[in-house]
Amino acid sequence: EDQVTQSPEALRLQEGESSSLNCSYTVSGLRGLFWYRQDPGKGPEFLFTLYSAGEEKEKERLKATLTKKESFLHITAPKPEDSATYLCAVRDNYGQNFVFGPGTRLSVLP
Amino acid sequence: DTEVTQTPKHLVMGMTNKKSLKCEQHMGHRAMYWYKQKAKKPPELMFVYSYEKLSINESVPSRFSPECPNSSLLNLHLHALQPEDSALYLCASSQSTGSAGELFFGEGSRLTVL
Repeated sequence: EDQVTQSPEALRLQEGESSSLNCSYTVSGLRGLFWYRQDPGKGPEFLFTLYSAGEEKEKERLKATLTKKESFLHITAPKPEDSATYLCAVRDNYGQNFVFGPGTRLSVLP
Repeated sequence: DTEVTQTPKHLVMGMTNKKSLKCEQHMGHRAMYWYKQKAKKPPELMFVYSYEKLSINESVPSRFSPECPNSSLLNLHLHALQPEDSALYLCASSQSTGSAGELFFGEGSRLTVL
C-alpha cells in the first residue's frame, strides 16, 4: 500500500530564513510525485510534478527535488505570503488515486 | 485562477435537507474526483469518475450520491447528512486516470450540517 509522510508537521520561519520540507514515500512504481500549496479554506494549488529520481523543478522561491525515497521542497528567502500548508502526493503505476501526505504547515513571520 | 469551478462556496443544511454540490471543468479532462477534507487533515478520496463512469467509490455512505452528467460536469447530491459530514468538499480533475498528469482542484464547497 502506498504511503506518504511529511516532516516537520509545522514550521515557523523568520522572513528570509531558508529551509526545507520533507516528503517520504513508499510506492509500488512511482508514476508521479506532486507538491501542492493550500491556503486556509481554499482548494490545493498545484506547484510541481516530479517523475524520476534526480529531477528538479523551480518556481520563484520554491525548488522541488526527488530521490528514490523522498522529495524535498526548498524555500529560499521566504516571505510572509509563502505561509500555507504544503501537501505532497504520489501516484503509483497501478492505481487511479493520488495518495496525500498529512502536510506541513508553514508560517513565515515578518 | 483555478480552472475547476465549484458551487456553492458555502452551504448550510439541516439533517433532513436535500442539496447538491456542483463542479465544472473546461480543460478537456476525462477523470473527475470528489474529495472530503476536515480541518488540518489531507484530502480524503470519496469518488472517481473516469470517462463519465464511476470507477472508485471509497465506501462512502449512501447519503452521498455522485453524478457525472457529461465530461465537464460533476455533481454530489446530499441527503440526510449528519453533523460529522461538515467539511470542505473538493472537486478535482486530471487528464485521465491512466495518465501521469497532475490533479487540479477547485476552491471547494464549505459544508456545514446543523
